[in-house]
Amino acid sequence: EPEVTQTPSHQVTQMGQEVILRCVPISNHLYFYWYRQILGQKVEFLVSFYNNEISEKSEIFDDQFSVERPDGSNFTLKIRSTKLEDSAMYFCASSEGFMNTEAFFGQGTRLTVV
Amino acid sequence: AQRVTQPEKLLSVFKGAPVELKCNYSYSGSPELFWYVQYSRQRLQLLLRHISRESIKGFTADLNKGETSFHLKKPFAQEEDSAMYYCAPHTAQAGTALIFGKGTTLSVSS
Repeated sequence: EPEVTQTPSHQVTQMGQEVILRCVPISNHLYFYWYRQILGQKVEFLVSFYNNEISEKSEIFDDQFSVERPDGSNFTLKIRSTKLEDSAMYFCASSEGFMNTEAFFGQGTRLTVV
Repeated sequence: AQRVTQPEKLLSVFKGAPVELKCNYSYSGSPELFWYVQYSRQRLQLLLRHISRESIKGFTADLNKGETSFHLKKPFAQEEDSAMYYCAPHTAQAGTALIFGKGTTLSVSS
């Protein structure tokens, strides 16, 4: 069964460094998403991406964040200058459509900023 | 403002007891409603959606438009139901974003 895959599973980075989190969505899906979950808190929406551009973004998704689909298969989340409060689990998801369709989630990347 | 409320952070029940995880929403238009579940060490996955009118793993959810609720129910809880449950309303007005409630941890003990 096709799955959304994320790499790495765990990333440790120093404050101020740039990180890129990678995701391979399910191949025939058209909508892509990033979410984050700070330890002990809810799953928060960051951004959705369709037709090679951002569809929606939350208040969390500020100028330090960017997303890209560089090669038609990968979907990346870049955090330009990491802060301690960026430490969280980051989930990628994809779906065929956006209404009434299931979003499939990756296993997540745990980002630790030290 | 669009809002989804899951009032219970933690729900602890004994095996065989009925379970109801509450979800209330405040959304304009007619949202489609989903329940997602995250078992320990597993990825977030869809449990059920309102439009399908289905029962998955013994769980059902009824949309009550008057009360704007979409509570998740199961008549007899099992230990393997222990997980984090998220309610997620979705409307076209919200665009492509699927916004989750804060989640309820269900703990089923024997």
